Amino acid sequence: ETGVTQTPRHLVMGMTNKKSLKCEQHLGHNAMYWYKQSAKKPLELMFVYSLEERVENNSVPSRFSPECPNSSHLFLHLHTLQPEDSALYLCASSHGQGSYEQYFGPGTRLTVT
Amino acid sequence: QKEVEQNSGPLSVPEGAIASLNCTYSDRGSQSFFWYRQYSGKSPELIMFIYSNGDKEDGRFTAQLNKASQYVSLLIRDSQPSDSATYLCAVNPPGGSYIPTFGRGTSLIVHP
Repeated sequence: ETGVTQTPRHLVMGMTNKKSLKCEQHLGHNAMYWYKQSAKKPLELMFVYSLEERVENNSVPSRFSPECPNSSHLFLHLHTLQPEDSALYLCASSHGQGSYEQYFGPGTRLTVT
Repeated sequence: QKEVEQNSGPLSVPEGAIASLNCTYSDRGSQSFFWYRQYSGKSPELIMFIYSNGDKEDGRFTAQLNKASQYVSLLIRDSQPSDSATYLCAVNPPGGSYIPTFGRGTSLIVHP
């Protein structure tokens, strides 16, 4: 595997379900990010982790819970979501120091019914 | 409030023409500037980055940075229908922050 991978690629869940999104980066980066992208809207930064420590939390509802067990893996735990949470969830990684370009995973298309 | 502004478009150009995409930013002193391409339904893909004033060329793409005027541009020469996508500008603020601010993106349509 190379680059940034995300699973699942597509997810349909009911409002009472609990699910998790997984992201893995194979680039040796130190920083990882979760973004939300709704239809016809810009990227919204949700969470940032640097060296497994959360450094940014952009007023995201508590029904989204991130976890970063190590610098290669990032999770987004979902529970009691709302239909308006349906979106493309993107994971990205970067070196975090010196060179800041981000590399994105393919995303998880989430539909909340 | 850090802001990165882009015209949402769509910008429509004929095949073979030069497409010019512009981005302005509010945080004077910003150090790093990026252009990403995003096809419909796909994730953003890094295509160019620039740190210094002036031009940077990579194949058909040229990034232009003018820090005094606080804008960064992306020129696409010999535009192809496969270049049709949304182009996102991202700017890292000063102080060594690695967390970028993204613009809303400009939709480019290259018609045959």
